[in-house]
Amino acid sequence: EAQVTQNPRYLITVTGKKLTVTCSQNMNHEYMSWYRQDPGLGLRQIYYSMNVEVTDKGDVPEGYKVSRKEKRNFPLILESPSPNQTSLYFCASRDSGRGTDTQYFGPGTRLTVL
Amino acid sequence: AQKITQTQPGMFVQEKEAVTLDCTYDTSDQSYGLFWYKQPSSGEMIFLIYQGSYDEQNATEGRYSLNFQKARKSANLVISASQLGDSAMYFCAMREGRAAGNKLTFGGGTRVLVKP
Repeated sequence: EAQVTQNPRYLITVTGKKLTVTCSQNMNHEYMSWYRQDPGLGLRQIYYSMNVEVTDKGDVPEGYKVSRKEKRNFPLILESPSPNQTSLYFCASRDSGRGTDTQYFGPGTRLTVL
Repeated sequence: AQKITQTQPGMFVQEKEAVTLDCTYDTSDQSYGLFWYKQPSSGEMIFLIYQGSYDEQNATEGRYSLNFQKARKSANLVISASQLGDSAMYFCAMREGRAAGNKLTFGGGTRVLVKP
């Protein structure tokens, strides 16, 4: 089954404690992205990757890092989480081919930073 | 300026009736794509329907149709014969042709509650 998986699905942590949210897709997609969702703001892109070792900032990259060492994985790293990073996070992937505009979203990770 | 505007924060609809969710967009690109996603209370984002800027016909997917009015820059979602399971948040999104990283820009969403 084609899917994007994220772990953990729920996480409560404290300010300053480094954490990583994993994302993996099994569709051999080139494009992967991270979004955060906050009430009234919809989803906003944090970082994206166009292929292995190619990453760049989205609209709200501050406080986040990413890496793309393998095509299937795109982890999101919070080196020193703060309460304003409490949010619902989505990983997404898409094939780079024409006519395949659909982005596939993971199930989401609900993060609370105390 | 907002790129995607959804003016209806929430709405009620009677079961079996049709409902239209508004979405207007702003772009100077000639090539772009418009999407609708459904987010039930469980939180996942479910892709519903896609309209390309060069598509001449309105997109349809089962009970979902997209009323695309290019000159007005609107891409309203129509859900026919509403079901209780349609209760959810609905997001309109756009991918601009020149958007780096295949970014989707989302509206603020519309919450739909279907009444029995």
